[in-house]
Amino acid sequence: DGGITQSPKYLFRKEGQNVTLSCEQNLNHDAMYWYRQDPGQGLRLIYYSQIVNDFQKGDIAEGYSVSREKKESFPLTVTSAQKNPTAFYLCASRTFDGTEAFFGQGTRLTVV
Amino acid sequence: RKEVEQDPGPFNVPEGATVAFNCTYSNSASQSFFWYRQDCRKEPKLLMSVYSSGNEDGRFTAQLNRASQYISLLIRDSKLSDSATYLCVVNGVGGSYIPTFGRGTSLIVHP
Repeated sequence: DGGITQSPKYLFRKEGQNVTLSCEQNLNHDAMYWYRQDPGQGLRLIYYSQIVNDFQKGDIAEGYSVSREKKESFPLTVTSAQKNPTAFYLCASRTFDGTEAFFGQGTRLTVV
Repeated sequence: RKEVEQDPGPFNVPEGATVAFNCTYSNSASQSFFWYRQDCRKEPKLLMSVYSSGNEDGRFTAQLNRASQYISLLIRDSKLSDSATYLCVVNGVGGSYIPTFGRGTSLIVHP
């Protein structure tokens, strides 16, 4: 079945550590997105990519990095520079023609 | 002004009630519009697309008013299972087509 897979579902990080969140899709979608959601808040865009080997900063890119070496994969690294990384992270993808976005199940990151 | 605005609620309604949510957007050139449903601690899932001609799916009706730049979602005969957060999503214009989300409207349906 086609879909988006995020892993892990839950992740705990010590302060000062970098962690990488995985996002893989087999929908053949061109565009992929990373959002962050805090309790009671909407989704805020971290990074997005429209084609392989290209990505753009979103509204809250500071402290995060991404890569897009393959069409199917768009991993997000939360670096130690991100001061408040505890949040729910959602990866999404879509085709390029304006249709709806599909989401992975999310990764809940907690700093301990 | 935020790009996409929603009343966060919560809307607290009894079973069987009709409830309506609105969402306003700031970019008049926005091209496509959606309502998503998000359950607690889960990912958003597409509820329905929103067209200028209106869109109905069972108890749910979505409408788009381009002149006033808002979209609406009407839920008739509310069920307990409708309790969730409803997110308004607007797709941008041009090459980016970035889905932009409202903060969501919380609906609580009680017996």
